[in-house]
Amino acid sequence: EADIYQTPRYLVIGTGKKITLECSQTMGHDKMYWYQQDPGMELHLIHYSYGVNSTEKGDLSSESTVSRIRTEHFPLTLESARPSHTSQYLCASSDTRTAKNEKLFFGSGTQLSVL
Amino acid sequence: GENVEQHPSTLSVQEGDSAVIKCTYSDSASNYFPWYKQELGKGPQLIIDIRSNVGEKKDQRIAVTLNKTAKHFSLHITETQPEDSAVYFCAAETGANNLFFGTGTRLTVIP
Repeated sequence: EADIYQTPRYLVIGTGKKITLECSQTMGHDKMYWYQQDPGMELHLIHYSYGVNSTEKGDLSSESTVSRIRTEHFPLTLESARPSHTSQYLCASSDTRTAKNEKLFFGSGTQLSVL
Repeated sequence: GENVEQHPSTLSVQEGDSAVIKCTYSDSASNYFPWYKQELGKGPQLIIDIRSNVGEKKDQRIAVTLNKTAKHFSLHITETQPEDSAVYFCAAETGANNLFFGTGTRLTVIP
């Protein structure tokens, strides 16, 4: 069982609010990711990090930002939420130092609804 | 960049029958092809993977085949059970060692 946690599980907020989605893992993994999953199921990589103080943009452009101050913590922030940000956000991690370094461990996701 | 196409988007089978999901990829440099299963309310979970130096891999009722020349790979589930009902994603590794996911297949196993 993966030890990666996302909070909140569900979030309903109004337009213009600032929000932070939390993601923490206790496995000591160096690499972490944020995926956006639309209602059509597709998974799109929006951010990833190789380790502390590393942040990279993914394949899908996103208005969100991320930070990696601690190895275990990779929060995602939206400064001003809009209805177009409504989606499921999935956090994942992997240990690039092991033989099975491509295996991703996913959290259960945060379902964000912006009204 | 990588592009992964997955078919079908939905699949219904009778319990005990086989299910096959197919994917194609575009980047010939990709060498790693995992399959993830996502159950309702949960994040995707790795169920099987294959590397480009292998043509087929099997794990109990699940098997994956890879045709690197044609750039396609498939997931085969035999003797399907209701608990196999879920969304399945194929993926291919990109140049940045990230995974590019297919569009997903919603599998329903009818008891």
